[in-house]
Amino acid sequence: AQSVTQLDSHVSVSEGTPVLLRCNYSSSYSPSLFWYVQHPNKGLQLLLKYTSAATLVKGINGFEAEFKKSETSFHLTKPSAHMSDAAEYFCVVSVWDYKLSFGAGTTVTVRA
Amino acid sequence: EAGVAQSPRYKIIEKRQSVAFWCNPISGHATLYWYQQILGQGPKLLIQFQNNGVVDDSQLPKDRFSAERLKGVDSTLKIQPAKLEDSAVYLCASSSSGQNTEAFFGQGTRLTVV
Repeated sequence: AQSVTQLDSHVSVSEGTPVLLRCNYSSSYSPSLFWYVQHPNKGLQLLLKYTSAATLVKGINGFEAEFKKSETSFHLTKPSAHMSDAAEYFCVVSVWDYKLSFGAGTTVTVRA
Repeated sequence: EAGVAQSPRYKIIEKRQSVAFWCNPISGHATLYWYQQILGQGPKLLIQFQNNGVVDDSQLPKDRFSAERLKGVDSTLKIQPAKLEDSAVYLCASSSSGQNTEAFFGQGTRLTVV
């Protein structure tokens, strides 16, 4: 069975500073990994995905994530936070059965 | 491309009543998921369909929850009778076949049980 651990339940950053959201996964098979964002009262939107191609993945809105197999990690970063980045972020793992396993989520607050 | 459609957006019911949610996935998507998201938590898978067959319903409380996917397209999730702890957002998602394909989510149905 696969699982995901998001290491921070809440991250607070100042506008214009870097954002780091940490995610570790556990899987017996080669995983696909995703980051989704959820703004208040909105549906989940895909930010980026890792599918065994390049280990550094670029997504929408300036986000990127690096897959590190040796550390079983898939951390999400953005060089400069914007007020619109305030939202809930979910790390998700999937294997051969297409089942999506979600982390508990990280709430990002951006200070002006 | 039309997204995943869900209805209703909001529903308030009394405990012990029944309720049904509807989902229309993206055309051609074989896999359909229902998730329950309780406030402050990550989504929890309730049931996963592949076409009109059930792949995983291990976390579906079958004494009160039921789901079907007729003809491998639309899906309905029902709760009967509802309990206070069923208050949550119910998310429907769909994806095309293949491990590396992402899931597309609907806006969700926010259920409040009073």
